[in-house]
Amino acid sequence: SQQGEEDPQALSIQEGENATMNCSYKTSINNLQWYRQNSGRGLVHLILIRSNEREKHSGRLRVTLDTSKKSSSLLITASRAADTASYFCATAMPSGGYQKVTFGIGTKLQVIP
Amino acid sequence: NAGVTQTPKFQVLKTGQSMTLQCAQDMNHNSMYWYRQDPGMGLRLIYYSASEGTTDKGEVPNGYNVSRLNKREFSLRLESAAPSQTSVYFCASSVAGGLGPQHFGDGTRLSIL
Repeated sequence: SQQGEEDPQALSIQEGENATMNCSYKTSINNLQWYRQNSGRGLVHLILIRSNEREKHSGRLRVTLDTSKKSSSLLITASRAADTASYFCATAMPSGGYQKVTFGIGTKLQVIP
Repeated sequence: NAGVTQTPKFQVLKTGQSMTLQCAQDMNHNSMYWYRQDPGMGLRLIYYSASEGTTDKGEVPNGYNVSRLNKREFSLRLESAAPSQTSVYFCASSVAGGLGPQHFGDGTRLSIL
């Protein structure tokens, strides 16, 4: 079963616009991570936000975490055609002495030049 | 600096054949993972190795075996391939379980006829 669920499943925007993707999860987590996957490639880690953090920035990326609502959002500002990719959230939670990481099914972002 | 290297990149098998997918990382990471990615289902964990000498089942282990050969290498074996195992397989590594980001290889695209 999926712990994280991204919304929307697909998003198409014009270059220069902002893109917002959301992730909801069901149980308490230690951290939440966002990854990008370009077509035919492996996932690339973008940003990790811990459960005691509310917001984190990295370049044009802004991630927020609301543990009371069990949700996170990824904002990409001033999007570029090169941002076209699938974006996944992943949640890490303790499981038998190990941190279990569960990925969502992703948001497919298309940035139109 | 190769990161995570997977071989082969593509493979076609007949039902019942066996094969081993190889994975090696050069980042001195403790933890390694095998995932499969299917359309609409995100990444599902097959097996993981929290540290050298240990392996554990993930969400979908049936039909697979793994070997953590040493700290660098983690192989995935299909003993008797079935069409349901047609998928893209990703290997990943991390410093210490789910507390930090995972680094992914570019995948093995496996088709079973």
